[in-house]
Amino acid sequence: EAQVTQNPRYLITVTGKKLTVTCSQNMNHEYMSWYRQDPGLGLRQIYYSMNVEVTDKGDVPEGYKVSRKEKRNFPLILESPSPNQTSLYFCASRLTGTYEQYFGPGTRLTVT
Amino acid sequence: KQEVTQIPAALSVPEGENLVLNCSFTDSAIYNLQWFRQDPGKGLTSLLLIQSSQREQTSGRLNASLDKSSGRSTLYIAASQPGDSATYLCAVRGGAGGTSYGKLTFGQGTILTVHP
Repeated sequence: EAQVTQNPRYLITVTGKKLTVTCSQNMNHEYMSWYRQDPGLGLRQIYYSMNVEVTDKGDVPEGYKVSRKEKRNFPLILESPSPNQTSLYFCASRLTGTYEQYFGPGTRLTVT
Repeated sequence: KQEVTQIPAALSVPEGENLVLNCSFTDSAIYNLQWFRQDPGKGLTSLLLIQSSQREQTSGRLNASLDKSSGRSTLYIAASQPGDSATYLCAVRGGAGGTSYGKLTFGQGTILTVHP
């Protein structure tokens, strides 16, 4: 089944403790991205990647890192999480071009 | 910068009613427009994708239209059912020559409740 998977789905952590949210897709998509969704602010793009070893900042990249060493994986790294990073995170992927975007199921992160 | 607005913010209708959700965008230079459905606390499910050269797309009881020049799209849901209750999101992908080239910009969504 074609899909985007994320792990973990739920995470509660403390300020400053490094964490990684994994994202993987099995559709051979070149383009992958991370979004966060917050009440009243909608979905905002954090980082995106056009292909392996090619990443760029989205609208709200501060406090996040990404890497794209393999085509199928695009992990999101929070080196020192803070409470304002409490949010619902989505990974997405698509083929390069005017193709539809596929989203993962989301990761609900709480930073205390 | 592209801005996407969805009206109404919330809608409650009785089962069986036909309804229309609206989406407007400020920059008409787009590649495509996509409608998503999101259930509470869940991911986004793609419903329909309309390319900039198309006027409408249909899938089952759903019909989406696009008027690129006026910056508007509508999602028509026929014979609504309680299972249609969800948040519906509109997103536009910026096209060449626009203010948000390649970027997917989302609206805030319309929360739809269909009651039996």
